[in-house]
Amino acid sequence: GEDVEQSLFLSVREGDSSVINCTYTDSSSTYLYWYKQEPGAGLQLLTYIFSNMDMKQDQRLTVLLNKKDKHLSLRIADTQTGDSAIYFCAAKYGGYNKLIFGAGTRLAVHP
Amino acid sequence: EAQVTQNPRYLITVTGKKLTVTCSQNMNHEYMSWYRQDPGLGLRQIYYSMNVEVTDKGDVPEGYKVSRKEKRNFPLILESPSPNQTSLYFCASSSRVNGYNSPLHFGNGTRLTVT
Repeated sequence: GEDVEQSLFLSVREGDSSVINCTYTDSSSTYLYWYKQEPGAGLQLLTYIFSNMDMKQDQRLTVLLNKKDKHLSLRIADTQTGDSAIYFCAAKYGGYNKLIFGAGTRLAVHP
Repeated sequence: EAQVTQNPRYLITVTGKKLTVTCSQNMNHEYMSWYRQDPGLGLRQIYYSMNVEVTDKGDVPEGYKVSRKEKRNFPLILESPSPNQTSLYFCASSSRVNGYNSPLHFGNGTRLTVT
């Protein structure tokens, strides 16, 4: 069945780059998403990539997709304390909008 | 402002006492869905609705009901809540235009505790 996995914790120093990794099992996924969840808040869409793309860049965010290895990564350049949050990777399957989520990676940014 | 609104934000209840969590969106979205978030498990889909009067089970539907009588509202009903339904619940919606589904918009969540 469909599954999405990501590491649970990442700690980085302010100003460094953060790389959050995600793997998925079903190669038929059409879109892959990154959502950010701050404490007490809902999920905020950060970016997404269509499965026929390799890379997408949006300001400080870079998404890399290796479809052969079913691996997705989110790179945050110049990480700031405001980037501290839980980051969810999600894969979309089928014609309707069902998303399969990973367990979330908690990013801690320290001085 | 385009948004998905859930109420209440926090709810503490006792086993067996029926409750409803409301969800409303002001974006005229066709698709709406409920997820629950549990530590280490991410978000799992409970129910979804493709349009008015069209609902279907997600991955963890047991113990839940939904209805979609109007396009903007998609309430989640727990007829007889149990402690294993203690969780953080999210409602989400999206549109479908020319065969393309927009990304999901999420509400701010409802934290439910069942004692």
